[in-house]
Amino acid sequence: EIVLTQFPATLSLSPGERATLSCRASQSVGTYLAWYQHKPGLPPRLLIYGVSNRATGIPARFSGSGSGTDFTLSISSLEPEDFAVYYCQQRSNLLWTFGQGTKVEIK
Amino acid sequence: EVQLVESGGGLVQPGGSLRLSCAASGFTFSDFNMKWVRQAPGKGLEWISHISNSGKTIYYADSVKGRFTISRDNAKNTVYLQMNSLRAEDTAVYHCARQYYDSWVGFSNWFDPWGQGTLVIVSS
Repeated sequence: EIVLTQFPATLSLSPGERATLSCRASQSVGTYLAWYQHKPGLPPRLLIYGVSNRATGIPARFSGSGSGTDFTLSISSLEPEDFAVYYCQQRSNLLWTFGQGTKVEIK
Repeated sequence: EVQLVESGGGLVQPGGSLRLSCAASGFTFSDFNMKWVRQAPGKGLEWISHISNSGKTIYYADSVKGRFTISRDNAKNTVYLQMNSLRAEDTAVYHCARQYYDSWVGFSNWFDPWGQGTLVIVSS
């Protein structure tokens, strides 16, 4: 099973700042990597799929990059509604796994 | 509007059973693969099961294999999760999620949208 490790666990930033979240896979996942946003009391929402493709309705300030085992989710300028937990996810060998999450909190 | 509404959660004793339902609306249910994902208290997301649009292809995470059964009724626009031999570590919010679709990628292996979830507590 491929393990996804996200870092940092918590990111403390102010609105308007840039956020950079990392996700490392224990082996190559090719382009089968996605990012989700999860806010308290709401269901998770798909942000990025296939490493760098924004899902429908996702603002352009969210971008994804990387390849193989190392991936990044960037938020160019944090809006108040962006403070949440972010998960990376991979698919391989007929199963899906998530990273443990990065919490982006207001500094 | 696409909607997924889970139900059937509650308090159950260890070793007991529970059946969760996820009622779908706002899309052609029989066209889409469906999934169940859970989140234990204070923990991250864990994918637990997948069922294809026809119901013929099913996958499980090792943590639930042999205890949980996913199924669907396309006539009722509902996906189910039968949970047997429940353990304390199965305590979680259980979400159903639909296979993601957009006009550029078509049907994909990602999860969106998700339901709000239903809470399952396994405790004596």
